[in-house]
Amino acid sequence: EDQVTQSPEALRLQEGESSSLNCSYTVSGLRGLFWYRQDPGKGPEFLFTLYSAGEEKEKERLKATLTKKESFLHITAPKPEDSATYLCAVQGTTSGGGSEKLVFGKGMKLTVNP
Amino acid sequence: KAGVTQTPRYLIKTRGQQVTLSCSPISGHRSVSWYQQTPGQGLQFLFEYFSETQRNKGNFPGRFSGRQFSNSRSEMNVSTLELGDSALYLCASSLTGENYGYTFGSGTRLTVV
Repeated sequence: EDQVTQSPEALRLQEGESSSLNCSYTVSGLRGLFWYRQDPGKGPEFLFTLYSAGEEKEKERLKATLTKKESFLHITAPKPEDSATYLCAVQGTTSGGGSEKLVFGKGMKLTVNP
Repeated sequence: KAGVTQTPRYLIKTRGQQVTLSCSPISGHRSVSWYQQTPGQGLQFLFEYFSETQRNKGNFPGRFSGRQFSNSRSEMNVSTLELGDSALYLCASSLTGENYGYTFGSGTRLTVV
């Protein structure tokens, strides 16, 4: 069964202090790995999709990378407005070549202090 | 461009009752998925509909059911509510459900008392 583990569960940073969030996964045939951001009381907001090992994507202060077993979300010089819960999810392939459901990790709560 | 709309935003129900939640996907999106989010379990997949057909189903009891209409709008029903059904129910839409980002609604907060 597909599994996703995120670490750490929570992280406190000072404004400007860069760090990385880890997402370890096991999946039978990766269709895609997704990163989302979720603010309290809201639904997850899509950030990135990565499809194959070695792929990288960037958006403002965020950069996502992918290996065959892990994905990292690097946050460079974070600001207080980057405080949120970051979710990682994988989507595998079925034996018939279709797509499995998204399987989410439990998330990582990031707090950036000014 | 309108996002994914879920109604109602908040709901309080009594144990044993049933509830219906609604989701209107982004225009043109044909895939609608439902998730249950709780502090302890995180986001757990309920089911996915594509062109009115259930394409995937999670490990939830038969009390949880859903359907999708010809305009891609979807409803989720929970019968015989239990206290443990209290959660944030999220709907996500996608163009086809494959390789495209899923856009989530703001969710329906269900409280069972």
